[in-house]
Amino acid sequence: GAVVSQHPSRVICKSGTSVKIECRSLDFQATTMFWYRQFPKQSLMLMATSNEGSKATYEQGVEKDKFLINHASLTLSTLTVTSAHPEDSSFYICSAKLLLGTGPTDTQYFGPGTRLTVL
Amino acid sequence: QQQVKQSPQSLIVQKGGISIINCAYENTAFDYFPWYQQFPGKGPALLIAIRPDVSEKKEGRFTISFNKSAKQFSLHIMDSQPGDSATYFCAAQPSISSGSARQLTFGSGTQLTVLP
Repeated sequence: GAVVSQHPSRVICKSGTSVKIECRSLDFQATTMFWYRQFPKQSLMLMATSNEGSKATYEQGVEKDKFLINHASLTLSTLTVTSAHPEDSSFYICSAKLLLGTGPTDTQYFGPGTRLTVL
Repeated sequence: QQQVKQSPQSLIVQKGGISIINCAYENTAFDYFPWYQQFPGKGPALLIAIRPDVSEKKEGRFTISFNKSAKQFSLHIMDSQPGDSATYFCAAQPSISSGSARQLTFGSGTQLTVLP
């Protein structure tokens, strides 16, 4: 159980275009979802925390107008990279925590990641 | 104070040997300490986790040792196998009572290579 999926797994786009990445909790409802960015051979850097039905909380230094997060339901969060540039190329990973009251809420379950390449 | 320091950066172990990865933290509000395993091009997968009320937790070949007074915890992989070759991240999360968003703070990662 506790499976998180991401779509697409890989995306290549031209500079200036927007890219949407979906994160879904497949077999559980998630109160909170997180979006991370990971550069090669580096650790995960938290970009934002999103709670269903409310605005995302962005980490310092993350442009909220560039990385739009929508958490429309308890099983789906989306990250849209707007006007992407080559420096946005990275591995984007989402994670989800169980809905409060449905089980242990400490554990973050991670998706498989999305490799974004901006040409 | 939010930092989690992880060492070593890389580790090479012979098949059958013991792999040991260490982490240290400063924030006493942390009360949940998971370890994640990540293969190239994949998302992290939860390996094992511990709370400060116990000093050790074992699941199969994986053991977490926790030293609350020293604010250190470590992952031991017994009988290491080539299939264990991956990057391992320790992490820490604040307690509910800390009033924070309870986000995970990750260590810098350890690249483990188990030689056949």
